[in-house]
Amino acid sequence: AQSVTQLGSHVSVSEGALVLLRCNYSSSVPPYLFWYVQYPNQGLQLLLKYTTGATLVKGINGFEAEFKKSETSFHLTKPSAHMSDAAEYFCAVSFQGGSEKLVFGKGTKLTVNP
Amino acid sequence: DAGITQSPRHKVTETGTPVTLRCHQTENHRYMYWYRQDPGHGLRLIHYSYGVKDTDKGEVSDGYSVSRSKTEDFLLTLESATSSQTSVYFCAISEVEMVWEQETQYFGPGTRLLVL
Repeated sequence: AQSVTQLGSHVSVSEGALVLLRCNYSSSVPPYLFWYVQYPNQGLQLLLKYTTGATLVKGINGFEAEFKKSETSFHLTKPSAHMSDAAEYFCAVSFQGGSEKLVFGKGTKLTVNP
Repeated sequence: DAGITQSPRHKVTETGTPVTLRCHQTENHRYMYWYRQDPGHGLRLIHYSYGVKDTDKGEVSDGYSVSRSKTEDFLLTLESATSSQTSVYFCAISEVEMVWEQETQYFGPGTRLLVL
């Protein structure tokens, strides 16, 4: 069965510091991987996704993530945090032909301190 | 913007009352989904639809039913609301990306439901 683990329900960084949000998955078949962001009182917005091809994926707002099959990880990074990055971030996994099986992690709330 | 609206956006109801939430899309997407979001649980799939009158259960379907009589509308019904169904409900649609045959999901703004 597929599952997603996000390490750290809360992460706090200073403005300008590196953002690293961790996501590990388990899947018996090649996964498709997603990061979504949720700003307060809003729906989820797609940040980036990995399907096939290049393992380093660039998304919106300066975020990127790298698919590491050997580590079953898909960590989200941003070199320099901005106050506007404060939000909750969700990692999700699916597999080919199984869009109805999108499984979400429990989320990581990012706080950016001035 | 995937053209998804949800109604109502907020609702307060009493235990035992039936409640229907509506998801409306304007772009003719085939797949539609209902999720609930609860603190510490992330998003969990309730039901999904892969076409008009074609639906299936998700992870947490007990106490919920759905209907899809038109492509653009996907209704979620709580037959007899309970306090454990207090949650934020999100509708999502899939856009098929033919290059990779992967359907990326896009979400509506959510409905906050409080069951007293």
